[in-house]
Amino acid sequence: GENVEQHPSTLSVQEGDSAVIKCTYSDSASNYFPWYKQELGKRPQLIIDIRSNVGEKKDQRIAVTLNKTAKHFSLHITETQPEDSAVYFCAASSMNRDDKIIFGKGTRLHILP
Amino acid sequence: ETGVTQTPRHLVMGMTNKKSLKCEQHLGHNAMYWYKQSAKKPLELMFVYSLEERVENNSVPSRFSPECPNSSHLFLHLHTLQPEDSALYLCASGAQGGVSEQFFGPGTRLTVL
Repeated sequence: GENVEQHPSTLSVQEGDSAVIKCTYSDSASNYFPWYKQELGKRPQLIIDIRSNVGEKKDQRIAVTLNKTAKHFSLHITETQPEDSAVYFCAASSMNRDDKIIFGKGTRLHILP
Repeated sequence: ETGVTQTPRHLVMGMTNKKSLKCEQHLGHNAMYWYKQSAKKPLELMFVYSLEERVENNSVPSRFSPECPNSSHLFLHLHTLQPEDSALYLCASGAQGGVSEQFFGPGTRLTVL
């Protein structure tokens, strides 16, 4: 079945610097790759997603890139701010897998003042 | 508010108790999910219901029993739980197919004594 690996598990960056979180997946049939942000004590919420027919997508300070050949995708956050501190989860799913979505183990991002 | 609610928000139960968790969504979605969130496995899929039929059971112990009476409601019936079942249980809903945004509820913090 599908397996999603996420790295690093913890990341600390200086405020204003960029942060990059990487994920790999195993099932070549996966075609939808969302990223969720979970702030302390709150529920996960979608921040950006990308489908397999697109290589890159950007939304203000957040961007996601997808390399289908290598089966990896990355989240890029530029000009980090204190409110970016949270746990970020990547995920992969496919229409062929009966609504099943597989999440990575999460990255705890700390923005240092 | 994301349109997904869960009750109760906190639950403490003994190993011999029987209790139920409830999830409700008013987003018109056809798929609903139960996740277990713990320090060891940050977002572990337990059950998937699509159009009120269970399509995924991810090898969850039988002491957890889901029920989906209609597309807006999802229950998780608990009996004879173990202390290691203590975790945050998150419900989510999404469009059928698993290739779109999932909306999470606030979760039920479960403690098994």
